[in-house]
Amino acid sequence: QKEVEQNSGPLSVPEGAIASLNCTYSDRGSQSFFWYRQYSGKSPELIMFIYSNGDKEDGRFTAQLNKASQYVSLLIRDSQPSDSATYLCAVSGLSGGYNKLIFGAGTRLAVHP
Amino acid sequence: DGGITQSPKYLFRKEGQNVTLSCEQNLNHDAMYWYRQDPGQGLRLIYYSQIVNDFQKGDIAEGYSVSREKKESFPLTVTSAQKNPTAFYLCASSPGTTLNNEQFFGPGTRLTVL
Repeated sequence: QKEVEQNSGPLSVPEGAIASLNCTYSDRGSQSFFWYRQYSGKSPELIMFIYSNGDKEDGRFTAQLNKASQYVSLLIRDSQPSDSATYLCAVSGLSGGYNKLIFGAGTRLAVHP
Repeated sequence: DGGITQSPKYLFRKEGQNVTLSCEQNLNHDAMYWYRQDPGQGLRLIYYSQIVNDFQKGDIAEGYSVSREKKESFPLTVTSAQKNPTAFYLCASSPGTTLNNEQFFGPGTRLTVL
């Protein structure tokens, strides 16, 4: 059974701090990695994706991938109260010839003023 | 505006009823997906379709059915055979089904069994 694991949280950080969200996955053949943000009662919104080992930066967000350790993380710099949401990690791999996404259960982030 | 629409936003079903959830996209995406989300759990794949007139079962297809008669539409029917249908249902689409195709989600339908 291919799995994606995330700490459920809540992860509480003060406004302006760096929030670090972590995700591990079991399938070594996984190729693509996605971070979605989901506000309470809303649908997931794609915020970052990463395919290669190393860091990828987009504004206040940085995704980090280490395939050897089967670990992907999301850093949010200068955290704002509006960043308070659940962050879903999704891992992609080929299954039956199609792009199958396996989702973690998500980490709830709370940014307090 | 390009995007994915789902209707209705809220749906209530009585025991023994079949209900159909609508999903439409105008992004010209080839692939469409249906997921179910339960509280505190990740998304689970119900069905997916890579192309018109073709669809495949996902991980939890029992009690559900779909059709893909048009590229832009992928309705999901929750049948009376689905024993625990109360959940948040999410439709997604992607340009294709290769590994680097991001999936984009509609706003969701929240189904409650009375």
